[in-house]
This record gives sequence, structure tokens and C-alpha cells, in this order.
Amino acid sequence: DTAVSQTPKYLVTQMGNDKSIKCEQNLGHDTMYWYKQDSKKFLKIMFSYNNKELIINETVPNRFSPKSPDKAHLNLHINSLELGDSAVYFCASSQDSLRGTRVGYTFGSGTRLTVV
Amino acid sequence: GQQLNQSPQSMFIQEGEDVSMNCTSSSIFNTWLWYKQDPGEGPVLLIALYKAGELTSNGRLTAQFGITRKDSFLNISASIPSDVGIYFCAGRSGSARQLTFGSGTQLTVLP
Repeated sequence: DTAVSQTPKYLVTQMGNDKSIKCEQNLGHDTMYWYKQDSKKFLKIMFSYNNKELIINETVPNRFSPKSPDKAHLNLHINSLELGDSAVYFCASSQDSLRGTRVGYTFGSGTRLTVV
Repeated sequence: GQQLNQSPQSMFIQEGEDVSMNCTSSSIFNTWLWYKQDPGEGPVLLIALYKAGELTSNGRLTAQFGITRKDSFLNISASIPSDVGIYFCAGRSGSARQLTFGSGTQLTVLP
């Protein structure tokens, strides 16, 4: 199936730990994103990569570090997890973001991170 | 930066009723998208609009790109229980590198 796949689906961890979330897309898209959805369901962009190059880096603590080994993968590593990091994190991808053509995003099913 | 105001924040309707929600932006957009998010899933694209005045349908869903290019609405006709979820508008101006999302409309359909 063509899709955006992210793992794990659920992640429960203690404060202070380091964790990673992985994302892969097989849609042939050249741009990938990480979004954070808080308890009020607001979707806030965190990062965007185009062909492995970071193009958007919103105001996010530097404990969050994205890594894109190739244009089909965008992973998110979080150091020293805090209670406020608890949220659902969505990976998404799109085609031709920089050229301004049609840019409907395809989202993964999310990773629910709970920090205890 | 770009801001989107989406309303209403939540809606409770009876099965069979029609529903309407809208988004307005602080700047001109050249793309409007409508997404639906089911519980435990990511948002799924419902309708995409690329021209001012464009009216597009997807089954019982109809969306329009406002003439001013600063607003869009989504209508759902004859609602059914599976319409329950959160509906997000999203838009993009020519100078922006990413979509801006509205705050969502939580739709509940009562039997």
C-alpha cells in the first residue's frame, strides 16, 4: 500500500529519557513534515525537509532533532523528554512544496507520546 | 504569520441534518484544503481547492474557495454517524512554504 508509515503508534516513557519516532513514505514525495497535535487538537508544524534538506524549523526546543537519511524517511529524535512533550506527533509528506504546485499533504496515523 | 479562524469549534447535529463550517484567513490564499481526522488516525484529505470561486464536491461533501481568496466553507449534506470526527481547513499563500491549519471543528452526529 502507498502510504506514510510511522512507528511506534504508542510510546510511553519516563521524563528525562531519549526516544525516537520513525517515518517512511513510499509515495515518491519530495517533502516531509513533522506536526505536533496537542490536547486541543491544534496541528502545529515542527519541521519540514525537502529532498533531505531542512527547510522549515519552527520554534521547537533543541531537544527535538529531525534526521532525514533520504527523501523517503524523516525521523524525529527527542532528548531529555519532559511532561509537556506528551502529544500526538504526525508525520506527513507532499510533492513539490517549494515550487508552489499542488501540495495536499498525506499524513501518517500518528504516534501518541506519553511522558510520565 | 498566516492565521486561520475556523468555526464553529464544535457541532452537535441530528443524523440526516446538513452541516456547514468555514474558515477565514488573515491573508490571501492560493490553496484551500479540507481534511477529516477520525479518532486515533491522521487527517485525511477530503477536498482540495485551487481557484477562487471554485466549488468542488466529494459525495455528500461540498467545499468552496471564496471569491476574496480569504475564506472557504465545507458543507456536509444528510449527515450520517460515520461523519463524526474533526474537520480541519488548511490553506497556503503563494509565499508560504507550508500549509497553515485551522483549529478544527469537532462534529458529533446524534442518532
